[in-house]
Amino acid sequence: NAGVTQTPKFRVLKTGQSMTLLCAQDMNHEYMYWYRQDPGMGLRLIHYSVGEGTTAKGEVPDGYNVSRLKKQNFLLGLESAAPSQTSVYFCASSLRKEGAFFGQGTRLTVV
Amino acid sequence: AQSVTQPDIHITVSEGASLELRCNYSYGATPYLFWYVQSPGQGLQLLLKYFSGDTLVQGIKGFEAEFKRSQSSFNLRKPPVHWSDAAEYFCAVGPFGNEKLTFGTGTRLTIIP
Repeated sequence: NAGVTQTPKFRVLKTGQSMTLLCAQDMNHEYMYWYRQDPGMGLRLIHYSVGEGTTAKGEVPDGYNVSRLKKQNFLLGLESAAPSQTSVYFCASSLRKEGAFFGQGTRLTVV
Repeated sequence: AQSVTQPDIHITVSEGASLELRCNYSYGATPYLFWYVQSPGQGLQLLLKYFSGDTLVQGIKGFEAEFKRSQSSFNLRKPPVHWSDAAEYFCAVGPFGNEKLTFGTGTRLTIIP
């Protein structure tokens, strides 16, 4: 039972490049989330999904897109990376009323 | 709007001493409250949660938290602490469900021998 798996773990991008972060969970959770973590700011919700085929904006959605084509996967896309998107990205999943399970994180640097 | 304040950025305690990490929240309705722990380079792990009922909540690893509505607080406690408890701790508040959780900025805990 792997829980929540994020791919890749590290990435360096040049400004303007695009990339997709993949999150996979094997717990049959309905809810999935993408957060970013920046020093001194805690975690901020980017986008979330309450079920297959549905997505919604969180607190800081600008510059990101997401898709949830399969229940177990939640993809986060950056169409044109900017240095302000340098951060650690966490995916999480949950049942609605339970605490979330987090992945190990993806450290992204945009130069 | 909901918000969470963790007033202590960094706390240092001696191994074997008691620990209390503070969390104050602002929320207009019945809050759902969580404490998470993050070890260096790792994701967050749920320690405990409060939805309703008994205001003293027991969690994993010997942690507990007390919900005090009158003080808008949900402080985390552990007596005594172990060196392995050194980590960063996050409090979070949200409505029913997890989709709109607001996290505090975290408290980094250092344990000294």
